Amino acid sequence: DAGITQSPRYKITETGRQVTLMCHQTWSHSYMFWYRQDLGHGLRLIYYSAAADITDKGEVPDGYVVSRSKTENFPLTLESATRSQTSVYFCASSVKTSGSGEQYFGPGTRLTVT
Amino acid sequence: QKEVEQDPGPLSVPEGAIVSLNCTYSNSAFQYFMWYRQYSRKGPELLMYTYSSGNKEDGRFTAQVDKSSKYISLFIRDSQPSDSATYLCAMSEWSGGGADGLTFGKGTHLIIQP
Repeated sequence: DAGITQSPRYKITETGRQVTLMCHQTWSHSYMFWYRQDLGHGLRLIYYSAAADITDKGEVPDGYVVSRSKTENFPLTLESATRSQTSVYFCASSVKTSGSGEQYFGPGTRLTVT
Repeated sequence: QKEVEQDPGPLSVPEGAIVSLNCTYSNSAFQYFMWYRQYSRKGPELLMYTYSSGNKEDGRFTAQVDKSSKYISLFIRDSQPSDSATYLCAMSEWSGGGADGLTFGKGTHLIIQP
């Protein structure tokens, strides 16, 4: 049972480059989420998706784009990376149909923007 | 407002001690409360999930929710060195058909001394 996988696990990129972080879940959960985790801020929600082709902004969406053409995949794209987007990014999915219940997290992608 | 307050620690206790971890919050609409454990360079792992007020026990872990005081706790009995990790509280509202993710505390770093 693979659960949630994220790729790449580590990424170094330059300012201004486009970067896509991948998230794949094998549970067929309806809801999926992207968070970033930074020292002093904890985990903050970037975007979430209630189902395929349905996405919405979270707390810190600026500079990010998401898509969800298939239930199991939820990629996050940084259109033009900035140093402030250096962070650890976590994908999560929710077993509850409302999305308000418990969430299960992937292992994270550590992104460095130079 | 969705602010969640959590003492960052570090909290250091000897092996076998009872550990108490706490969070306070200001949003009275929160109804779902969770505790996650996060080891270094890993994704958060769901430990406990409770709905509304009350207690829930699972092995050495007990979660308490006091909605009247806007205060939640996680107790760890017979603490082990393997419990050393960062503990994150998280909570969410019931939002009908939508979802806005979880609001997290910043985490408490716990160290269990052998």
